[in-house]
Amino acid sequence: DGGITQSPKYLFRKEGQNVTLSCEQNLNHDAMYWYRQDPGQGLRLIYYSQIVNDFQKGDIAEGYSVSREKKESFPLTVTSAQKNPTAFYLCASSGGLTDTQYFGPGTRLTVL
Amino acid sequence: KQEVTQIPAALSVPEGENLVLNCSFTDSAIYNLQWFRQDPGKGLTSLLLIQSSQREQTSGRLNASLDKSSGRSTLYIAASQPGDSATYLCAVLVGGFKTIFGAGTRLFVKA
Repeated sequence: DGGITQSPKYLFRKEGQNVTLSCEQNLNHDAMYWYRQDPGQGLRLIYYSQIVNDFQKGDIAEGYSVSREKKESFPLTVTSAQKNPTAFYLCASSGGLTDTQYFGPGTRLTVL
Repeated sequence: KQEVTQIPAALSVPEGENLVLNCSFTDSAIYNLQWFRQDPGKGLTSLLLIQSSQREQTSGRLNASLDKSSGRSTLYIAASQPGDSATYLCAVLVGGFKTIFGAGTRLFVKA
């Protein structure tokens, strides 16, 4: 089955720690995205990547970093510089930047 | 700066009713508009995508329209069912290939 997987489903972070969220897709899509969702709010774009080894900042990139070394993978690191990281994180992919976006099941990050 | 607004924020209807969800955006310079469904604690499922040159798209009981000049889109759901209960989000793709989401409409269909 083609799709997008995210791991872990739940993640707990202590203050001052960096954590990495995994996103893998087997849809052969060129574009991948990371969004953050806070309760009662819409999604906000963190980073997106059009092709391997290239990525662009979204609206709320501060305190986050990404890499795109393989077409299938787009990991997101939440650094200690992110002041309020507790949120639901969603990864998506699309064939191109104007195509339908397909989403993974999400990772819920909680700071202890 | 593009802003996307969805009204109402929440809606409760009896089963079988036809309903309309609204989405408005402030800048008509968009590439496309998508409607998504989100179940509690889950990812998003794409329902319909309307390119900026199109006026509407249909899929089963769903019909989405786009009026770019007025900055509005509607999602029409025919013969609603309890399984339609979810949050519905609209999103526009703008310059720089960034997607801007509305906060969503939470729909509850009563059996």
